[in-house]
Amino acid sequence: DAGVIQSPRHEVTEMGQEVTLRCKPISGHDYLFWYRQTMMRGLELLIYFNNNVPIDDSGMPEDRFSAKMPNASFSTLKIQPSEPRDSAVYFCASRPLRLNTEAFFGQGTRLTVV
Amino acid sequence: AQSVTQPDIHITVSEGASLELRCNYSYGATPYLFWYVQSPGQGLQLLLKYFSGDTLVQGIKGFEAEFKRSQSSFNLRKPSVHWSDAAEYFCAVGGGGSQGNLIFGKGTKLSVKP
Repeated sequence: DAGVIQSPRHEVTEMGQEVTLRCKPISGHDYLFWYRQTMMRGLELLIYFNNNVPIDDSGMPEDRFSAKMPNASFSTLKIQPSEPRDSAVYFCASRPLRLNTEAFFGQGTRLTVV
Repeated sequence: AQSVTQPDIHITVSEGASLELRCNYSYGATPYLFWYVQSPGQGLQLLLKYFSGDTLVQGIKGFEAEFKRSQSSFNLRKPSVHWSDAAEYFCAVGGGGSQGNLIFGKGTKLSVKP
């Protein structure tokens, strides 16, 4: 398996624009996580899914953020409208349901909102 | 509340010296514990994990960690640091199984002096 695949790797956008980040989890994994990493706040869990169903979105900072998982092999994180303070690295991770397993991370998307 | 504390933001050690990175957690149930490493511009790679059994776990790249329930700690160690170990290290706690999410510490940045 190619691992967790995120696209794009880098995104530069203007304030007010819509941004969509994409993630393809490892095949067969039941959980999918979206994290945001900043210098100030470290790694924050934004939302996670179990079998395509959102389980906990309490980490989503505000209504401008939304995430979907239409099927087991694809998820999106959308920011609309984007703001400079959304600039961060966004990571997607996935893991199986079974016990004794870790989460596998993608390479991340570095988002810059100017 | 679930939390992970890594008290050291930045540590510098000389190449060949021993290393210990501290991690304390707060978790209401039996914790699953992880150490991840992140090189600049990269995603997170698992170093080692603890689920049960022997409290001293071995990981990749010569790292080990010891789970001490009485101290709620899971410190990472390496007997002799190499320059290539310079990176940021994250401790994480999770419940595993149906409790899918991982909570991360803020990370410890390791610098290695020649």
